[in-house]
Amino acid sequence: AQKITQTQPGMFVQEKEAVTLDCTYDTSDQSYGLFWYKQPSSGEMIFLIYQGSYDEQNATEGRYSLNFQKARKSANLVISASQLGDSAMYFCAMREGRSNFNKFYFGSGTKLNVKP
Amino acid sequence: GAVVSQHPSRVICKSGTSVKIECRSLDFQATTMFWYRQFPKKSLMLMATSNEGSKATYEQGVEKDKFLINHASLTLSTLTVTSAHPEDSSFYICSAREPTSGSYNEQFFGPGTRLTVL
Repeated sequence: AQKITQTQPGMFVQEKEAVTLDCTYDTSDQSYGLFWYKQPSSGEMIFLIYQGSYDEQNATEGRYSLNFQKARKSANLVISASQLGDSAMYFCAMREGRSNFNKFYFGSGTKLNVKP
Repeated sequence: GAVVSQHPSRVICKSGTSVKIECRSLDFQATTMFWYRQFPKKSLMLMATSNEGSKATYEQGVEKDKFLINHASLTLSTLTVTSAHPEDSSFYICSAREPTSGSYNEQFFGPGTRLTVL
């Protein structure tokens, strides 16, 4: 079974509007971490936001927020006030467990296009 | 955040040659580094986990003899694609864990290396 599922291959959003990128995960671990990364056309992976499985509040980082619904095993990324520079691939990832050596699982990504 | 570099950023080689890609943690020591492969418009596929001073742990389906990984120091891991063929053409990305980066052990990614095998 897929550990991370991103069901939106591509999304369009109007500049200055908000957009939600979906991510669901599958794990039997009680302790895990969820991450979102942005990958522009240059290829670098840019860390956006993190949510721990025990965090009771949704994570926020500037215009990024993570809508964490633990019972549904979803960790959707919300980008508010979209900007043209937000156009990129977005990957959801999960780390199971707490160990520094645990590997990450990545979703298939969502390509976001911000329209002027 | 912590900085990870990769060298080279792009490489074009002839079929049959070997190519070495370096991954360095510039301002921290990384006991563990990861190597990923990414096909165009696809997700990152973990190839192997590189541990300083010991053998790398390869993911299922990744040929150990094809993709040689050496983690000789706490700041350097190398991936050597041996006898490269056109099907090895891909974007290779490394990442490193910075142990003191916080409670959630974020991965810091290198900028990637685009390999093209002719």
